[in-house]
Amino acid sequence: GDSVTQMEGPVTLSEEAFLTINCTYTATGYPSLFWYVQYPGEGLQLLLKATKADDKGSNKGFEATYRKETTSFHLEKGSVQVSDSAVYFCALGGYNKLIFGAGTRLAVHP
Amino acid sequence: GAVVSQHPSWVICKSGTSVKIECRSLDFQATTMFWYRQFPKQSLMLMATSNEGSKATYEQGVEKDKFLINHASLTLSTLTVTSAHPEDSSFYICSATREDTQYFGPGTRLTVL
Repeated sequence: GDSVTQMEGPVTLSEEAFLTINCTYTATGYPSLFWYVQYPGEGLQLLLKATKADDKGSNKGFEATYRKETTSFHLEKGSVQVSDSAVYFCALGGYNKLIFGAGTRLAVHP
Repeated sequence: GAVVSQHPSWVICKSGTSVKIECRSLDFQATTMFWYRQFPKQSLMLMATSNEGSKATYEQGVEKDKFLINHASLTLSTLTVTSAHPEDSSFYICSATREDTQYFGPGTRLTVL
C-alpha cells in the first residue's frame, strides 16, 4: 500500500541555518504531495503542495519539489527562524484520503 | 480562504458521559470531512471519513458505535464520543476537503477523568 517515510527527528538548528527534511513515498498512481506544519497545541496547517511530477511547492520561504524518479518530496528552507520550530508532516493523497509520515520535530535556537 | 473551525477547543468530562465535537468549514462547502486522532508526539490516525448526507466510513479498528459521526450539512460534521473512558483522552482533529486539498481544524483536546 501507499506509504510515506520521513527522516526521524528531532532536528535541531541554529537560527539562519539551512533546513532539509527528507520525505520519500511509495504510491500507486500519481498522488498529490503535501507538507503540513503543526505548532504546539494546534491543528495542522497546509504549508505547501505539489500535484504532479516536477512541480515545486513553495510558501513562507519553504520549498519542496515533486521528484518522481526518486519518489521524494524533501522540504527545504534557506534560513530558518525560531518561529519555524514545529512538527512537519509529509503526506500524500488528496481529497479522498491522506497518508501521513510520522512527522519531524524541528527546534530552532537563537 | 479554506478555514476550518472546531468546537470546543478543549473539553474535560467524567467517565461514562458523552462528548460532542463540532467541525465547521467556514468559507467553503465540504462534501467530505475527515476525523483524525493524534496521540502525544505521534502522527495523525484517520478514524473515519464523513460524507454529507450519508453514513460515515470508519477505518479498521475504530468502533462506530463509540465514535458517532454525523455530517448533516455541507459545512458541519460532528463527532460524538459516547460513554467516554480515560483511554479516549486524545487530541481530535478534523479536516474538510476543498478541491484536492484537505484543510484542518485547530483540534479538540479531550480529557476524560
